[in-house]
Amino acid sequence: NAGVTQTPKFQVLKTGQSMTLQCAQDMNHNSMYWYRQDPGMGLRLIYYSASEGTTDKGEVPNGYNVSRLNKREFSLRLESAAPSQTSVYFCASRPNSGNTIYFGEGSWLTVV
Amino acid sequence: AQSVTQPDIHITVSEGASLELRCNYSYGATPYLFWYVQSPGQGLQLLLKYFSGDTLVQGIKGFEAEFKRSQSSFNLRKPSVHWSDAAEYFCAVGADQAGTALIFGKGTTLSVSS
Repeated sequence: NAGVTQTPKFQVLKTGQSMTLQCAQDMNHNSMYWYRQDPGMGLRLIYYSASEGTTDKGEVPNGYNVSRLNKREFSLRLESAAPSQTSVYFCASRPNSGNTIYFGEGSWLTVV
Repeated sequence: AQSVTQPDIHITVSEGASLELRCNYSYGATPYLFWYVQSPGQGLQLLLKYFSGDTLVQGIKGFEAEFKRSQSSFNLRKPSVHWSDAAEYFCAVGADQAGTALIFGKGTTLSVSS
């Protein structure tokens, strides 16, 4: 019962480097999400995918791209990392019926 | 605009005392409401949720929350706080519509004093 799995858990990047955060869920959920968490800001939605093949911007999409590779996987890419992207990133998924959103364990990203 | 407000950034409660964390929301559709807890360096754990029916919902770890539609509130309560309850608490609102995301409050940090 893996649920929502994110990799890597920890990463340090230099300014300008690129990287991809991977997310996979094994619950056959249609919808997937990427959030970022910053101190005093709660969780803010970066991008989401309501179903396979679709993606939409959330509250804070600038500097990020996403790919819904298939129903299981939803990746988040930083093309040119900036210190402002230092954050904790959470992936989540939701079934088509039912209202509980399931979260991964988070990815701690530091950009220096 | 859809939003969640947690008015208290930081609360300190004595161990054994009661706790109430406030949450107010603004949402266009019928709200589905959640409380999550996060310990330092950890992920999010769902405490409880309200979809419909009884407005007083019970959750894990002895927590409960009451939905008050007239006040647009969903406050979290616990009758007797334990030191292990020290954490950050997030209120969130969502809708019964496929694909919609949760909107989170900014969180309340709970400290427990002995």
